[in-house]
Amino acid sequence: GQSLEQPSEVTAVEGAIVQINCTYQTSGFYGLSWYQQHDGGAPTFLSYNALDGLEETGRFSSFLSRSDSYGYLLLQELQMKDSASYFCAVQHQAGTALIFGKGTTLSVSS
Amino acid sequence: NAGVTQTPKFQVLKTGQSMTLQCAQDMNHEYMSWYRQDPGMGLRLIHYSVGAGITDQGEVPNGYNVSRSTTEDFPLRLLSAAPSQTSVYFCASSGGSEDTQYFGPGTRLTVL
Repeated sequence: GQSLEQPSEVTAVEGAIVQINCTYQTSGFYGLSWYQQHDGGAPTFLSYNALDGLEETGRFSSFLSRSDSYGYLLLQELQMKDSASYFCAVQHQAGTALIFGKGTTLSVSS
Repeated sequence: NAGVTQTPKFQVLKTGQSMTLQCAQDMNHEYMSWYRQDPGMGLRLIHYSVGAGITDQGEVPNGYNVSRSTTEDFPLRLLSAAPSQTSVYFCASSGGSEDTQYFGPGTRLTVL
């Protein structure tokens, strides 16, 4: 089976940089994804890494090390609207649906 | 495009009742899946489908049935509702195994 570990909570102030780590165990690896979810809303896609290295999308970056079964999401220039839950996820064994971590709640204060 | 739609938005059931949560997508996606979300548990995969006529079990399939008769629709059936099935249910679709998953707005289900 698959399992993912990520911190349950992270706090930061506006303008700061925060890193959310994710370690995973999976029998077959098809990439690591990150999703954002605001309270009461649906998860939305942020980033995807299939290969080692850093992917940058605006203020958000995601990193993957397949040899360490580890990745992280880096959020820069934090804004209040970034307060949300962030989930890392790997493909299910059949490579078609996602297995999610339990999520990290990010609280950004002014 | 409406994307992924789910009905109803809210539902209250009594223990033992059955019901079907509806999910539809208009993006011609082959892959569809159902998740449930409980506080502190993240999203857990219930069932998924890789195309019409093909379904498979996820992490927590017990108590739920699915079918995929068309590309567009992927209903989730609760056979005999239990309080443990009180949760928020999300449906998602994607165009391929490495593609972005698009989530519906969710159905908030309470079983009394």
